[in-house]
Amino acid sequence: DQQVKQNSPSLSVQEGRISILNCDYTNSMFDYFLWYKKYPAEGPTFLISISSIKDKNEDGRFTVFLNKSAKHLSLHIVPSQPGDSAVYFCAAIYSGNTPLVFGKGTRLSVIA
Amino acid sequence: GAGVSQTPSNKVTEKGKYVELRCDPISGHTALYWYRQSLGQGPEFLIYFQGTGAADDSGLPNDRFFAVRPEGSVSTLKIQRTERGDSAVYLCASSPTGGWGYGYTFGSGTRLTVV
Repeated sequence: DQQVKQNSPSLSVQEGRISILNCDYTNSMFDYFLWYKKYPAEGPTFLISISSIKDKNEDGRFTVFLNKSAKHLSLHIVPSQPGDSAVYFCAAIYSGNTPLVFGKGTRLSVIA
Repeated sequence: GAGVSQTPSNKVTEKGKYVELRCDPISGHTALYWYRQSLGQGPEFLIYFQGTGAADDSGLPNDRFFAVRPEGSVSTLKIQRTERGDSAVYLCASSPTGGWGYGYTFGSGTRLTVV
């Protein structure tokens, strides 16, 4: 059973608009959430994270929102740029020494 | 080195053969992770090392898979009697400690194809 779910396999957005990528989780013990970005033939790279004690974290064009009661988080990218086209993975973790659990990813295409 | 290095980048092997995949983590990182990413899936955890010891090997799918990290730096993932279902990208990641505060740094992966 998937503990971290990304139900949209793909998303297409026009350049300059907002991209919203969604992620749901089932394990209420998760206390830290991360987003990774992956280009073809490269490993995932860390993008942004949020602790469960917060509901929002912002870094430049990227903002992650966490709704603990709904067990839902989202990544907002605004404005979207063609270079943002990649696969985005949501990941979650609990305690310091357990491994990250990843979703299946969402492929974002930003169209110029 | 500056990043996590994985070799080879691509490996094609025949069913039934033995393969070794190597990971060279960032210098000084004590935690090392192996993940496997199959087509259309997210990375799936295989094994986690803290120093030289395997702190968690619960993700290894069966006893054909084994990993070592004898000196607490380079790690080798070993797969015996490979099967076509083992075909995937094998990702290695390291972090400064076992903590998650800064995420993991991943290598580019080894694409294993079993024919």
